[in-house]
Amino acid sequence: NAGVMQNPRHLVRRRGQEARLRCSPMKGHSHVYWYRQLPEEGLKFMVYLQKENIIDESGMPKERFSAEFPKEGPSILRIQQVVRGDSAAYFCASSSTSGDTGTDTQYFGPGTRLTVL
Amino acid sequence: KQEVTQIPAALSVPEGENLVLNCSFTDSAIYNLQWFRQDPGKGLTSLLLIQSSQREQTSGRLNASLDKSSGRSTLYIAASQPGDSATYLCAVNRYGNKLVFGAGTILRVKS
Repeated sequence: NAGVMQNPRHLVRRRGQEARLRCSPMKGHSHVYWYRQLPEEGLKFMVYLQKENIIDESGMPKERFSAEFPKEGPSILRIQQVVRGDSAAYFCASSSTSGDTGTDTQYFGPGTRLTVL
Repeated sequence: KQEVTQIPAALSVPEGENLVLNCSFTDSAIYNLQWFRQDPGKGLTSLLLIQSSQREQTSGRLNASLDKSSGRSTLYIAASQPGDSATYLCAVNRYGNKLVFGAGTILRVKS
């Protein structure tokens, strides 16, 4: 039973390029979350998606960042025209329910470490 | 706005010692609280989840307690081992499944 999978594990981009980060949730999970961990900072929520829907994107920077979770395939976090300040670890998590009952655990992937040169 | 604070920021103990990590949060209206472990350069491993209606959860040498009214949780690690060395993160789920994390406690267990 594979856990949450993220790829690539490490990504190097030059300023101005695009970064695409992929996340495959655990089998049976339809809720996906993206978090960012900047150097020397804690994890911060970015976006919460269900299949084909963005539920909460309150943590997403207003420009250059977008996320999707299509009907088929992994969730994608896309960063356009990357800048050095985007260098961070990006973690994806998944859960089986919406968590409103208080019983749901979010399971995290190993993360993608983005370095912008 | 929910804020989560973890104390201490770092802790170094000899092997075999029992220890307590602390987590406090400003808004008591939470669904649950999770404790995670993060190893250097790795992802997060969920250790324990406590629902808002619960007082504590136990898993092996780990025991987590929750006092929602005072906005506090503790993670108790019994008989610490060098393999317990990691960063321990506390996260609260207030609503909408948006976890709010503390900055973590860096634990080092010396052999």
